[in-house]
Amino acid sequence: DVKVTQSSRYLVKRTGEKVFLECVQDMDHENMFWYRQDPGLGLRLIYFSYDVKMKEKGDIPEGYSVSREKKERFSLILESASTNQTSMYLCASSSATVDFGDGTRLSIL
Amino acid sequence: AQRVTQPEKLLSVFKGAPVELKCNYSYSGSPELFWYVQYSRQRLQLLLRHISRESIKGFTADLNKGETSFHLKKPFAQEEDSAMYYCALRSWAGNTPLVFGKGTRLSVIA
Repeated sequence: DVKVTQSSRYLVKRTGEKVFLECVQDMDHENMFWYRQDPGLGLRLIYFSYDVKMKEKGDIPEGYSVSREKKERFSLILESASTNQTSMYLCASSSATVDFGDGTRLSIL
Repeated sequence: AQRVTQPEKLLSVFKGAPVELKCNYSYSGSPELFWYVQYSRQRLQLLLRHISRESIKGFTADLNKGETSFHLKKPFAQEEDSAMYYCALRSWAGNTPLVFGKGTRLSVIA
């Protein structure tokens, strides 16, 4: 089974902080994704990556950036956290199917 | 434009009753369709892919290209089916991100 591991289940940060969310997968997948999940809005794509050092904007990239220095690791960065970025963040990786991590519930105070 | 529409935010059914979770899509070309499920406090997990034509946990889904629908069905609902269900699509090439609907919360009442 693919294992997608997100470094934190819960995270509380303050407005204006730079926040790093880490994701690691152990199946040598080339494709990795970051989504945010909000009630009534479903899952919305923030960024994705098809290979090391490659990144593509998703539907809601504003206020976020990503880093993929190694194939197995895909980091999401909130450059200056704001309260409207309080959400559940899901990382995923894919080959034939897409597999998700447990999610990080991020609260920005 | 790619879009997945799940018209019901919440669906409540009694145990043993049939269940149908609706999903309609718009896509240029032929998409690959999925249903994902998220049980309480668990990760999002794949339930069905349309190309596999399997029945998982008693659920089935048939792709209707004419109606651009991929409804999820189960003849007899169980309490353990209570969860959040998401319909999703991507291109056949498999190298594009999944596009999700907004989800339907299924509540099975004993």
